Amino acid sequence: AQSVSQHNHHVILSEAASLELGCNYSYGGTVNLFWYVQYPGQHLQLLLKYFSGDPLVKGIKGFEAEFIKSKFSFNLRKPSVQWSDTAEYFCAVNSRGGADGLTFGKGTHLIIQP
Amino acid sequence: SQTIHQWPATLVQPVGSPLSLECTVEGTSNPNLYWYRQAAGRGLQLLFYSVGIGQISSEVPQNLSASRPQDRQFILSSKKLLLSDSGFYLCAWELVTEAFFGQGTRLTVV
Repeated sequence: AQSVSQHNHHVILSEAASLELGCNYSYGGTVNLFWYVQYPGQHLQLLLKYFSGDPLVKGIKGFEAEFIKSKFSFNLRKPSVQWSDTAEYFCAVNSRGGADGLTFGKGTHLIIQP
Repeated sequence: SQTIHQWPATLVQPVGSPLSLECTVEGTSNPNLYWYRQAAGRGLQLLFYSVGIGQISSEVPQNLSASRPQDRQFILSSKKLLLSDSGFYLCAWELVTEAFFGQGTRLTVV
């Protein structure tokens, strides 16, 4: 069975600090990888995704993530966070070609202090 | 454009009462639809998914059921709610490449 582990459940940073949120997954086959974000009062939305090709993917709002196959990791990064980045972040995977849904991590609640 | 509607946004129900949460999708046909739940302190967990009318797959045995009476309608139900059914319920429409989520329903069973 697939599983996703997010290392930090609560992160508090000051504006302009650098961010890295860890994500590791466990799955026997080929997966697609995602980071979703939920801003306060809003729907869950896609931040970025990786299917194949360049393992460094860039998403919206200056976020990027790097897929390291040997480590089964897909860490999310941002060089300089803003107060508006305060949100809940979820790492997720699904199996390629399958319709059996996403497997999510528990989420990381990120608070950016002005 | 694709839109997914889920209601209600919040719900407080007594133990033993029935439940019906509805999710509808616009802007697509024959979507793959999903119900997830996030219990306190836990991640989003897949409950049910459906690849077509009348086709329901259950991921976790529980006190809930799902139905898909129409192509773009997905319903989550319970005959008798338990305290442990409290949580945040999300409906999703998923492609392999991306998922679109409803606003979610915060269910509190009292």
